[in-house]
Amino acid sequence: QLQLQESGPGLLKPSETLSLTCTVSGASLSSNNYFWGWIRQPPGKGLEWLGSIYYSGTTYQNPSLKSRITISVDTSNKEFSVRLSSVTAADTAVYFCARQYRLVTIRGPKRGAFHVWGQGTRVTVSS
Amino acid sequence: IQMTQSPSTLSASVGDRVTITCRASQSISSWLAWYQQKPGKAPKLLIYKASSLESGVPPRFSGSGSGTQFTLTISSLQPDDFATYYCQHYNDYSPETFGQGTKVEIK
Repeated sequence: QLQLQESGPGLLKPSETLSLTCTVSGASLSSNNYFWGWIRQPPGKGLEWLGSIYYSGTTYQNPSLKSRITISVDTSNKEFSVRLSSVTAADTAVYFCARQYRLVTIRGPKRGAFHVWGQGTRVTVSS
Repeated sequence: IQMTQSPSTLSASVGDRVTITCRASQSISSWLAWYQQKPGKAPKLLIYKASSLESGVPPRFSGSGSGTQFTLTISSLQPDDFATYYCQHYNDYSPETFGQGTKVEIK
């Protein structure tokens, strides 16, 4: 059974770099049917897509995060990671990792819905 | 692309037929998903490609629409369905974005 588990520090100071890892069990990261994504949810608010990665290393990032975000994958250790630099209080949120359908269309591969999610990890940015 | 859900909150009783609307700021064809989220839990995928039911999701959930107008319908609300529902569009020419959510409360 596929399971995703986020891990990383729960408390950061402003200007530090957030680093989270998602460990995948019960399935291979090296599938051409899926992307692997990160989504966050600030307290009491809605969901925000951060970015996604294919097992080959191709990444897709939310432009709203500009150059602050880096997503990487380590297929041998069955994990993928996100780094967010220069964090502020606005980055306080629950961070989810998820498996995302990869759709094959006549115009090429396309990102789909997030169909399996991790339980989420709470990150607080505070001085 | 902006996704706007209505209503923000909905009060309903067990057995009611419930409809939630999601509007896209521009056409997204049928590239839309619906999720259910309960407090302290991760979202759960209900519907993808506007009307396709995810495996294991009860058939009382259904989705419809295309272009800019979409709906999620629960045909007969069950106690387990009180939650917050989000729509989300997905494609490759703009970031995936979610609606602001619709909370379904007990009337």
